[in-house]
Amino acid sequence: NAGVTQTPKFQVLKTGQSMTLQCAQDMNHEYMSWYRQDPGMGLRLIHYSVGAGITDQGEVPNGYNVSRSTTEDFPLRLLSAAPSQTSVYFCASRPLWTGKQPQHFGDGTRLSIL
Amino acid sequence: RKEVEQDPGPFNVPEGATVAFNCTYSNSASQSFFWYRQDCRKEPKLLMSVYSSGNEDGRFTAQLNRASQYISLLIRDSKLSDSATYLCVVMASKIIFGSGTRLSIRP
Repeated sequence: NAGVTQTPKFQVLKTGQSMTLQCAQDMNHEYMSWYRQDPGMGLRLIHYSVGAGITDQGEVPNGYNVSRSTTEDFPLRLLSAAPSQTSVYFCASRPLWTGKQPQHFGDGTRLSIL
Repeated sequence: RKEVEQDPGPFNVPEGATVAFNCTYSNSASQSFFWYRQDCRKEPKLLMSVYSSGNEDGRFTAQLNRASQYISLLIRDSKLSDSATYLCVVMASKIIFGSGTRLSIRP
């Protein structure tokens, strides 16, 4: 039972490079989301999706793009990496219409921008 | 104003103490509430859901006050293993995390 799988687990980029963080879930969850967590801080919502073909912005969307072409996958793209995007990124998923269901998290991607 | 606010702590309490955290939220349409626990450099993990009537899971008690728009978490007889960051989570059309409250239990 894989749950939510994030790749890569670690990545170092140079300023200006582009990159896609991958997230896949095998639980047929409609809702998927991306968060970033900076040292000593909580999780901030970047983008989320309530189903294939539907995405929306969270609290801190600038500098990131997402797409949701399938239920299983929700990649996060950094078009031109900046040092301010150095963070730990978590992907999460949950069923959409079952009120009390919590989110399932991936292990995180630790991203450093030099 | 942040959508979900928590006291960041840190709370440093002796083993066996009772400790309580509060979390306030701004969206009155919020539907579901949770407490998550996060250990250092790990992903958040669900601790417990929060119900209007209040709910208990062993040493942990969660309460929801819709009128005042806050949720609380009470930990009784705290253990060393309770040291972690506790995140409150509020769900409406999207899911928002509080910034977390750091708890450190000392022997």
